[in-house]
Amino acid sequence: KNEVEQSPQNLTAQEGEFITINCSYSVGISALHWLQQHPGGGIVSLFMLSSGKKKHGRLIATINIQEKHSSLHITASHPRDSAVYICAVPTGNQFYFGTGTSLTVIP
Amino acid sequence: GAGVSQSPRYKVAKRGQDVALRCDPISGHVSLFWYQQALGQGPEFLTYFQNEAQLDKSGLPSDRFFAERPEGSVSTLKIQRTQQEDSAVYLCASSSQRLEQYFGPGTRLTVT
Repeated sequence: KNEVEQSPQNLTAQEGEFITINCSYSVGISALHWLQQHPGGGIVSLFMLSSGKKKHGRLIATINIQEKHSSLHITASHPRDSAVYICAVPTGNQFYFGTGTSLTVIP
Repeated sequence: GAGVSQSPRYKVAKRGQDVALRCDPISGHVSLFWYQQALGQGPEFLTYFQNEAQLDKSGLPSDRFFAERPEGSVSTLKIQRTQQEDSAVYLCASSSQRLEQYFGPGTRLTVT
């Protein structure tokens, strides 16, 4: 049973394309995180959001609490965006993580 | 330091060896979390400390896994008699508030 599900698992895009990664969750939450993990690297927090939409540079995150769904969008994608993107929800003392979306952006 | 640090970054252990993984959280962060991330998977919760108290260890996969944080700062995750299925990246995170977590770079453990 996965409390957090992401799609797609793998994504290859041409540089400049608009990218969407989806996350659905089944637990009640007050906030959701989008994280970025580069190969061999640690995890960097991109967004924490509890409603609506947040934007940071070319990254946009949206959340619909009623539908228990969030999306991460990358506009004008670039090869340096290649990484694994993970959504995570805190509940109780734990975080539940999605399995991640591996993104490769080709020049 | 400015962020969470972990050491060693890479560890190769022979099956049956004991290993100890260290986490230095951000100074002043009371909460510390350990996660295990298998290849191609998202991180999975292992255990949680608030200061020196281990409040939740429900994610530890077996009694070979042991974590401590004796002075409420540095934490050590110990794995006894390592098995091949223990091969994973072990991530540590700290926070001052429950909803925000700052992750370390992880320790990649390979058991041969």
